[in-house]
Amino acid sequence: GAVVSQHPSWVICKSGTSVKIECRSLDFQATTMFWYRQFPKQSLMLMATSNEGSKATYEQGVEKDKFLINHASLTLSTLTVTSAHPEDSSFYICSAGGWAREGPNEQYFGPGTRLTVT
Amino acid sequence: EDQVTQSPEALRLQEGESSSLNCSYTVSGLRGLFWYRQDPGKGPEFLFTLYSAGEEKEKERLKATLTKKESFLHITAPKPEDSATYLCAVQAQAGNNRKLIWGLGTSLAVNP
Repeated sequence: GAVVSQHPSWVICKSGTSVKIECRSLDFQATTMFWYRQFPKQSLMLMATSNEGSKATYEQGVEKDKFLINHASLTLSTLTVTSAHPEDSSFYICSAGGWAREGPNEQYFGPGTRLTVT
Repeated sequence: EDQVTQSPEALRLQEGESSSLNCSYTVSGLRGLFWYRQDPGKGPEFLFTLYSAGEEKEKERLKATLTKKESFLHITAPKPEDSATYLCAVQAQAGNNRKLIWGLGTSLAVNP
């Protein structure tokens, strides 16, 4: 149980184009999904938290107009990197959780998407 | 400020050589502490949740323990396939979201 998928697993795009990454919870309904980025040999950096049917909450320093997040259903969230530039190249990982009303909630992670902007 | 510190940064063991990884935390009310394993180029894999001081959980060669200030991940007789980065994270009582505060991880290498 608690399987999260991401698509695509890797993508190469040209500078100035937009890229959409999908995150799906396959066997459970996720009220909350999280988007992270990770640079080589560094820990996870939370970009934003999204709750189904509402606007995402972005972390300080993350441009909401550049990283568009949509959480249209309990099983799907998307991250769109708009007008990508080489500095946006990174490993993007989503996680899903928050289905329990009380107590701590584990987050279950997708396999990640490697984005390279040329 | 809520904070998580993991040590050591890197650890190299011989197969069968048991050891422990440390996760020290300061948080304004602990909702839960989480351990994850991450292999290169992959997303973190959930291992354990610990809720309160004194709690212990085990899974194969791994055992996680929790006190009011820190958590240990004990690895007994490790095998090369246990090589990975082990991440610790805490969730605070304050706030309505489920944001995790992450440590930088311990990179474990187990030599055959």
